Amino acid sequence: GQNIDQPTEMTATEGAIVQINCTYQTSGFNGLFWYQQHAGEAPTFLSYNVLDGLEEKGRFSSFLSRSKGYSYLLLKELQMKDSASYLCAVRILTGGGNKLTFGTGTQLKVEL
Amino acid sequence: DTEVTQTPKHLVMGMTNKKSLKCEQHMGHRAMYWYKQKAKKPPELMFVYSYEKLSINESVPSRFSPECPNSSLLNLHLHALQPEDSALYLCASSQGQFGRPDTQYFGPGTRLTVL
Repeated sequence: GQNIDQPTEMTATEGAIVQINCTYQTSGFNGLFWYQQHAGEAPTFLSYNVLDGLEEKGRFSSFLSRSKGYSYLLLKELQMKDSASYLCAVRILTGGGNKLTFGTGTQLKVEL
Repeated sequence: DTEVTQTPKHLVMGMTNKKSLKCEQHMGHRAMYWYKQKAKKPPELMFVYSYEKLSINESVPSRFSPECPNSSLLNLHLHALQPEDSALYLCASSQGQFGRPDTQYFGPGTRLTVL
């Protein structure tokens, strides 16, 4: 089976840096995605990793270690609007095609 | 443009009703997806269409019936639902290419309530 774990909740201060971890145990790994989801809205794509290392996109960076089954999302210069749920999703290649399996999600609260 | 649209935004239906959810994208994507999301839970995959053919069905009950009339449209037909089927139903699309990021872009969802 597939197992993807994230912390349930995190709190951070505006202007600070926060790291959200994701660990996974899956078969057929074919990439890892991070999505942001505000309450009542659709998930929006943040980043993608398929090879080991760090991918940087503005205030957001994502890291992957395939041998450790580990990824993290790093958010810098936190803003109040970053308060949202952050979803780690592993893409798995199956006979029917690619499918995304989401982690439990991390609810981030940014405080003044 | 990475827009996926879904109608209706909200739907309330009785257990004996038949209704349909609609999803549309004009990005030329060839893969489309239905997800179900309960409150404070991650999205769960229901169906995948690839090049207008059903390629993945995650053992979804037959009271949910997907349809892909063409490469831009995806429907989800609902019949004899149960109250526990109340959830946010999300549609997504992607290019459908193996070996590429094949990022999925999500629509805003339909909030379904079954009475």
